[in-house]
Parts: sequence; structure tokens; C-alpha cells
Amino acid sequence: EIVLTQSPGTLSLSPGDRATLSCRASQSVSSDYLVWYQQKPGQAPRLLIYGASSRATGIPDKFSGSGSGTDFTLTISRLEPEDFAVYYCQQYGSSPYTFGQGTKLEIK
Amino acid sequence: QVQLQQWGAGLLKPSETLSLTCAVYGGSFSGYYWTWIRQPPGKGLEWIGEINHSGRTNYNPSLKSRVTISVDTSKSQFALMLSSVTAADTAVYYCARLVAVAGQTYHNYYLDVWGKGTTVTVSS
Repeated sequence: EIVLTQSPGTLSLSPGDRATLSCRASQSVSSDYLVWYQQKPGQAPRLLIYGASSRATGIPDKFSGSGSGTDFTLTISRLEPEDFAVYYCQQYGSSPYTFGQGTKLEIK
Repeated sequence: QVQLQQWGAGLLKPSETLSLTCAVYGGSFSGYYWTWIRQPPGKGLEWIGEINHSGRTNYNPSLKSRVTISVDTSKSQFALMLSSVTAADTAVYYCARLVAVAGQTYHNYYLDVWGKGTTVTVSS
């Protein structure tokens, strides 16, 4: 089973800041298989990024993904109040299709 | 626009069987895998398993002995059954659609449409 480790667990930033979230895999994952989701309290997750760097429909370009192999990054520029949420990475390289434990992005 | 509507019993006793159904509205049922995910209170997401319109399934080994995912294409529905539940199965359960599109080297896979979630509590 591929373990995804997200860091930091919690990230405290201010509106207007830039956020950098990390997702590290226990073994190499093709970038085609790396996905990022956003989840707000009481809501289902929302697809942000697939294929490590492709934005889903309707996702603004302030969200960007990068990485390859075992190290992937989600970057959010110009944080707005609605961006403060929990972010999960997921891999589809090998079943079971595991998620990271999440990074909570909170307002400083 | 595709929507997923899910329902099922929200309160179970230990050893009972969890049963949830997810209906797909506004889009094609064939050509996709349909997925169940769960989230224990205050915790992260766990992939349970998936099924396609032909009934081909793939389960998380950690739950495989207790999980059955089935499909009813005539109703565009798929269902989750989890037997012998315990308090550890208390969670919000989500259904979701898995999309596969051509990627740079392989296919890209992602869950693009989700149900609203069903809270299932296991308590004596």
C-alpha cells in the first residue's frame, strides 16, 4: 500500500499569503495518478488538481500543482478567506487508492 | 449536470450490516467507476472500493472481507454493504464518480462528483 504523508499537518497563514502544501509518497507514483482535493467543514471534498498539475474545471489559476516521483506540491497563491480548508492528496497508482492525512490551512 | 444522491440507515448496532445506496442523476452511468469513500469523525478520507457498470469491483483489502459493492444499471444506482460493523465503522460515507481521461503517459483518474455524504453511527 502506498502511504501518502502530507506536511505540514496545519498551516497558519494570512489572507494574501502564499501556501505551499506537500504530499510525499512512500514509493514512486506517476504524476498522472496524483490528485488534490479541498474539503470545507460539513462538505464533501472538491476536486482541485488531477494529473499532479491539471486544474479541474472551474478551479482558479491561483491553485497550482507540481511534482513527480515521490514528492508533490500544491501551491495556493493570494489566499482568500474561502481558501482556508483541509487539503488532501490521493494516489491512483496502486490499489488501494490511498489519501494523505490532510493539511489544515487555517487563518493566522 | 451529474448529481449523486445517497441514502441509508444512519444508526446501527454493533454486528449489524451497513447498507447505503447512491443514485446517479443527470448523466451517463456507463463508462465510469463508482466509488465509496468514508471519513471517521475528525479524521481523513479512506477509500472503500469501486464498481463499474458491468459489476467489476475493486475493494480496499482492509475491508474486503466485510464489503460488498453492487450495481443496478436499470436504476443508475450502486450500493454499499458493510457487514459486522463496529464503532470503528462510524463515519461519514460518501459516494463519488471516478473519471478516467488520457494523461501524459497513463490515464488520469480523479473523483469529480461527490454525494453529500451520509453519517453512519454504530452504537449499542
